Amino acid sequence: DTGVSQDPRHKITKRGQNVTFRCDPISEHNRLYWYRQTLGQGPEFLTYFQNEAQLEKSRLLSDRFSAERPKGSFSTLEIQRTEQGDSAMYLCASSAGQGSNTGELFFGEGSRLTVL
Amino acid sequence: GNSVTQMEGPVTLSEEAFLTINCTYTATGYPSLFWYVQYPGEGLQLLLKATKADDKGSNKGFEATYRKETTSFHLEKGSVQVSDSAVYFCALAPLSGGSYIPTFGRGTSLIVHP
Repeated sequence: DTGVSQDPRHKITKRGQNVTFRCDPISEHNRLYWYRQTLGQGPEFLTYFQNEAQLEKSRLLSDRFSAERPKGSFSTLEIQRTEQGDSAMYLCASSAGQGSNTGELFFGEGSRLTVL
Repeated sequence: GNSVTQMEGPVTLSEEAFLTINCTYTATGYPSLFWYVQYPGEGLQLLLKATKADDKGSNKGFEATYRKETTSFHLEKGSVQVSDSAVYFCALAPLSGGSYIPTFGRGTSLIVHP
C-alpha cells in the first residue's frame, strides 16, 4: 500500500461548474476525513466517515458540498456551482479505527482547486 | 470546543540555532497531541506524537512534551538544518467522547538560512 492518494492533484474550473475529487485511503483504515486548507491556515475539518457512514459534517460544509464513501473504501467530495471562495487545497486523510487508533492521520498530497 | 493555538511565523533562524515553536491547546478530556510537518510541495506528514500526559514525542532531533498542567506541547530542536525549513502544525485528536475529529493550529513557517 502506497498511502493515501488523491485525484486530481490540480483542478482549474470556472465559477458555477461542478467538480469532484476522489480519495483512496490506506486500505485497512476505516476512518476517512476531508479537510480544507487555504494559504497561511491550518487544515479545517469538513467531514468524516467511519466505514461508509458519514458521522459528522462541519458547518463550513454548505449544501453545495457533498461527500460519499459508498463501500467504505474510496471517497468522493463533490462541489456544485463552485464559487471563487471555494478555491483551496482539499486534503484527505485516513486513520485506523477505535482500539488501535492514537488519532494519527495519514494525509494525501491534496487536490488544489482554483475557481476562476 | 477543541482548539489549538500556535505561535505565528515565520520563524527565521540560522543553521545550528535552537528552535522552539510554542503550542497550547484547549480540549475536553485527554487528547493525543501531534506535530505534523509540511515540506514545500508535499502533503502533511506526522513528525511526532504523545498520547498521554508527561509523554515525550521525538523524531529527527525534534522533541515535544505533553504538559497537561500548562496545556502545552511545544516543539524544540537543538540544532536546526536548512532541510528543516517547512511549515509545522500542532494538532490534537480526541480519543473519547464520541467525536474523533483532529483539530489543527494554523501552522508556523520555519525558514533556516545557511
